[in-house]
Amino acid sequence: GQNIDQPTEMTATEGAIVQINCTYQTSGFNGLFWYQQHAGEAPTFLSYNVLDGLEEKGRFSSFLSRSKGYSYLLLKELQMKDSASYLCAVRDSGYSTLTFGKGTMLLVSP
Amino acid sequence: DAGVIQSPRHEVTEMGQEVTLRCKPISGHDYLFWYRQTMMRGLELLIYFNNNVPIDDSGMPEDRFSAKMPNASFSTLKIQPSEPRDSAVYFCASSLNRDRAGNTIYFGEGSWLTVV
Repeated sequence: GQNIDQPTEMTATEGAIVQINCTYQTSGFNGLFWYQQHAGEAPTFLSYNVLDGLEEKGRFSSFLSRSKGYSYLLLKELQMKDSASYLCAVRDSGYSTLTFGKGTMLLVSP
Repeated sequence: DAGVIQSPRHEVTEMGQEVTLRCKPISGHDYLFWYRQTMMRGLELLIYFNNNVPIDDSGMPEDRFSAKMPNASFSTLKIQPSEPRDSAVYFCASSLNRDRAGNTIYFGEGSWLTVV
């Protein structure tokens, strides 16, 4: 089975940096994904890590430590439009499915 | 590309009625997934298909739920009879072959179901 934990809510101010953590315990591992979901909309893909280390994509970066079962999503230069739920998801080895955490609701205030 | 297309976007139905949700995956994708999202349980996988064949339906809550994929461009999720606890957002998603590392799953806009 899979167990994925992430904080329920976080708040931050415009222009700041925020780090959203995700820990996982899985029977297999074939990649970790981060998705962004605005209220009333579909989840959209943000990043993918399969090897240890940091992946940077513009204002967003994602880090993975497989030995620790840990990942984080780093958002820089926060904007109001970054207010959304951020979902951590793990792909089990041998399957194409993703198991999702319950998401972290990020509120960015002026 | 048009993306994953779902219908209806919103449905309100009475308890006991049959509900059919429809999905058209991204052309060329050979995996199709049905997820359900609620506040309490988050995003849960119900069933997924590979090349139109159901691979894992262990997430289907009970016999009232059924899913079909008669061809590569169409799938349905049916609930019969529906109950208030089925109220949720149902997402259809698709992806390419799993052997390609990093192939992501693309979601449709969801079908918002309310059973009263």
